[in-house]
Amino acid sequence: AQRVTQPEKLLSVFKGAPVELKCNYSYSGSPELFWYVQYSRQRLQLLLRHISRESIKGFTADLNKGETSFHLKKPFAQEEDSAMYYCALSTDSWGKLQFGAGTQVVVTP
Amino acid sequence: ETGVTQSPTHLIKTRGQQVTLRCSSQSGHNTVSWYQQALGQGPQFIFQYYREEENGRGNFPPRFSGLQFPNYSSELNVNALELDDSALYLCASRLTSGGPETQYFGPGTRLLVL
Repeated sequence: AQRVTQPEKLLSVFKGAPVELKCNYSYSGSPELFWYVQYSRQRLQLLLRHISRESIKGFTADLNKGETSFHLKKPFAQEEDSAMYYCALSTDSWGKLQFGAGTQVVVTP
Repeated sequence: ETGVTQSPTHLIKTRGQQVTLRCSSQSGHNTVSWYQQALGQGPQFIFQYYREEENGRGNFPPRFSGLQFPNYSSELNVNALELDDSALYLCASRLTSGGPETQYFGPGTRLLVL
């Protein structure tokens, strides 16, 4: 069965420092990987997906099939990046998502 | 802000009771998924409906059931509530048309079972 692991529950970084959120997955096929974000008092929203290969709000994520990872990175964290981040996996085209437990990011000035 | 709404926002029930949660999808979205998010956990997939038919179910017992209506609304019904059913329930809608569609989440309904 597929599984998504986010090893860090909490990541505290200073403004301007790089931030990397780890995500590992287990699935024998070719999954689609996503990062979702939930800002305080807001609903869950898509941040980026691996097939788009784009940078959103300065964040990038590369799918490494050899290491089965999809880590999220940003070179210079901003205070507005403080949020809950979820890595998610989909194994079909219907968008049924399997989420990790999430990583809380706190950016301090 | 997306057009996905959920009602009610909060609900308190007692063990053994039944509950119905509602979701209004974004206009034109033919697919709705429901998720359960326990405290401190990521959302877990319950089931998905496409054009009013169930289109996949996660690891949830049959007492979790759903309906999808032609007017883009849907329901999640839970019978014989258990204490562990206390969670945030999220619905997410999308237009399935063959491409990599984005799905949009509602704000959730927080259910507390006593």
